[in-house]
Amino acid sequence: DQQVKQNSPSLSVQEGRISILNCDYTNSMFDYFLWYKKYPAEGPTFLISISSIKDKNEDGRFTVFLNKSAKHLSLHIVPSQPGDSAVYFCAAIRPGGSQGNLIFGKGTKLSVKP
Amino acid sequence: GEEVAQTPKHLVRGEGQKAKLYCAPIKGHSYVFWYQQVLKNEFKFLISFQNENVFDETGMPKERFSAKCLPNSPCSLEIQATKLEDSAVYFCASSQWLYEQYFGPGTRLTVT
Repeated sequence: DQQVKQNSPSLSVQEGRISILNCDYTNSMFDYFLWYKKYPAEGPTFLISISSIKDKNEDGRFTVFLNKSAKHLSLHIVPSQPGDSAVYFCAAIRPGGSQGNLIFGKGTKLSVKP
Repeated sequence: GEEVAQTPKHLVRGEGQKAKLYCAPIKGHSYVFWYQQVLKNEFKFLISFQNENVFDETGMPKERFSAKCLPNSPCSLEIQATKLEDSAVYFCASSQWLYEQYFGPGTRLTVT
């Protein structure tokens, strides 16, 4: 039973345009969400996070939106750059508070074309 | 250090041999997590520590897998009698609080 879902395995975007990566979750008890970027043969790199008490968080070119009623979050990258080409993982903090391990989606591979 | 360090980068073991992986968390971070990445992009949580104490081991296979975080030493993940299915990339992550986690580069274990 997959609790965090990224339904698009891949996304291709032109340089300078907006990239929108989507993520859905099933457990309404999740209270914190994170996005990681991963290049081949490297570890995931933390990008941006959002608490369940907020609906938006922005950091430079990256904005995360959270829609709790729809159990949906999205990552917007504006403007997209070729260096953004990587696999992006959505993750949620496991409910129960005292555990803290991340529950990951299966990732979306973003390709930004020059 | 400012980054999570993992050694070795690659490890090859014959089936039945022991494998030991190491992780040095970011200085000042109290929590250490181990994840296993198999089958393309699936991450599986194994175990976490708060300082040298096991915090959550619900993902840890009871047989063959063990882990430690001792004071003034890198954390370690040990697999006794490796099996082919243990082939994966093992990531260590550390965090100051139970939210943002910072990952190391991973150790690729190949069991032949």
